[in-house]
Amino acid sequence: DQQVKQNSPSLSVQEGRISILNCDYTNSMFDYFLWYKKYPAEGPTFLISISSIKDKNEDGRFTVFLNKSAKHLSLHIVPSQPGDSAVYFCAASASGSARQLTFGSGTQLTVLP
Amino acid sequence: NAGVMQNPRHLVRRRGQEARLRCSPMKGHSHVYWYRQLPEEGLKFMVYLQKENIIDESGMPKERFSAEFPKEGPSILRIQQVVRGDSAAYFCASSVTHPRGFNEKLFFGSGTQLSVL
Repeated sequence: DQQVKQNSPSLSVQEGRISILNCDYTNSMFDYFLWYKKYPAEGPTFLISISSIKDKNEDGRFTVFLNKSAKHLSLHIVPSQPGDSAVYFCAASASGSARQLTFGSGTQLTVLP
Repeated sequence: NAGVMQNPRHLVRRRGQEARLRCSPMKGHSHVYWYRQLPEEGLKFMVYLQKENIIDESGMPKERFSAEFPKEGPSILRIQQVVRGDSAAYFCASSVTHPRGFNEKLFFGSGTQLSVL
């Protein structure tokens, strides 16, 4: 039972354009959402997060949008750069879950120069 | 600025052997988490530990797997009598103590790739 789903295994975008990565969740107890970026042979690196009391959080080129009614969040990267090419994981946690994160299966983003 | 250190990076074991994976958290971090990533899947939570205490092991298989975080030294994830299905990347993460108790971000190590022959 996948509680966090990333339905696009891969995405290719031209440098300078916007990258939009999507994530859906099923567990209504989730109240905190994170995006991690992962390069090959490295561990995931925290990118940006959002609490369920917000619908948008922005950090430089990265913006995360949360639509609670649709149980959907998205990560926007603009402008996309070749160095952004990596696997992006969406993760979620529920209050009192002792920091247990539930991860999606990831989306491989390739930014073409 | 040492991050979360995991060793070994690669570990090869034959079926039935034991695997020991080590993790040293970031300086100042007292919470350690172990996650497992199977091929083509996301990371799955296994266990959460503080010094000398297992806080949540709900994601860890009941048999053959154990974890510890002693007062001195690294956290150890131990897999006894390994089977082919244990082949995966095992990631350790750490975090600081957060006054609210949750929702702080995790810092991950580079992982140990376990291959069982």
